[in-house]
Amino acid sequence: QVQLVQSGPEVIEPGTSVKLSCKTSGFTLTSHYVHWVRPAPGQGLEWMGCITPTGDTVYAQKLQGRVIIIRDTFTNTVFMELTSLTSEDTAIYYCAREAAPANKNFDYWGQGTLVTVSS
Amino acid sequence: QSALTQPRSVSGSPGQSVTISCTGTSSDIGAYNYVSWYQHYPGKAPKLLIYDVSQRPSGVPDRFSASKSGNTASLTIAGLQAEDEADYFCSSFAGPWLHYVFGPGTEVTV
Repeated sequence: QVQLVQSGPEVIEPGTSVKLSCKTSGFTLTSHYVHWVRPAPGQGLEWMGCITPTGDTVYAQKLQGRVIIIRDTFTNTVFMELTSLTSEDTAIYYCAREAAPANKNFDYWGQGTLVTVSS
Repeated sequence: QSALTQPRSVSGSPGQSVTISCTGTSSDIGAYNYVSWYQHYPGKAPKLLIYDVSQRPSGVPDRFSASKSGNTASLTIAGLQAEDEADYFCSSFAGPWLHYVFGPGTEVTV
C-alpha cells in the first residue's frame, strides 16, 4: 500500500530554515519522482520542485537557491528544506508521488505539513 | 493570480450534474494532454480523480468524467452525492521551465 506520511507542524522564526520530511512506503524512491507543492498566497498550489528516480533535483525557478530536496533511500524518506523564510512561506506543504516517470500526474499525496513563519 | 483559473464554487442538488472549468493557456493546458484533477477534503491528502485529460484511475467512479478543448479543461460530476462535497483542483504540466501549474480549487456544494 502506497503511503506518504509527512512530519508534524512547525513554527519557524523569520529568516531561518525549515526541513520537512515525507516518509514513503509501498514503492521505491528509485522508481518514482517525488514532488513538493504548497499553496501560493491567494492562488492555487505552487509547484516547488522534485527529486527524480536517479536522485537528481529540479526546482521551480522562483525558489531556486532557497529550496533543497534530498532523499534517503534506506529509510525511503524525502526531505525538503526551505531557507530564508518569510511570512509568505506560511503554508501547508505537500509531498506527492508522480504516478510513474513521465506520467505528469500525482497519484498519491502526503497529508500535508503546516509551516507557520512567525516571530 | 493562479496559473490556472477555476470558478470559486459550484453547487447542485443530489442526483444532478455539475461541471467545473479549468482555464489555462497555450503553454500549459493547450500544449499538453497532461491535465489532471484532484479531490481534496480539508485536512486530508488530495486524491487523484482524473489524469491525462480524461482517464480515471481504478476505483474512481465513472460519475467523474473530464475533457479538454483548447486551453480549457472541464470536470463533470454526474449523479451528485453528498460525499462529493469537497474542493476540486486541476493541474497541468507546463513544460520544462514552469513544470506544473495548478488551479485554485473549486468548492462543490451538494
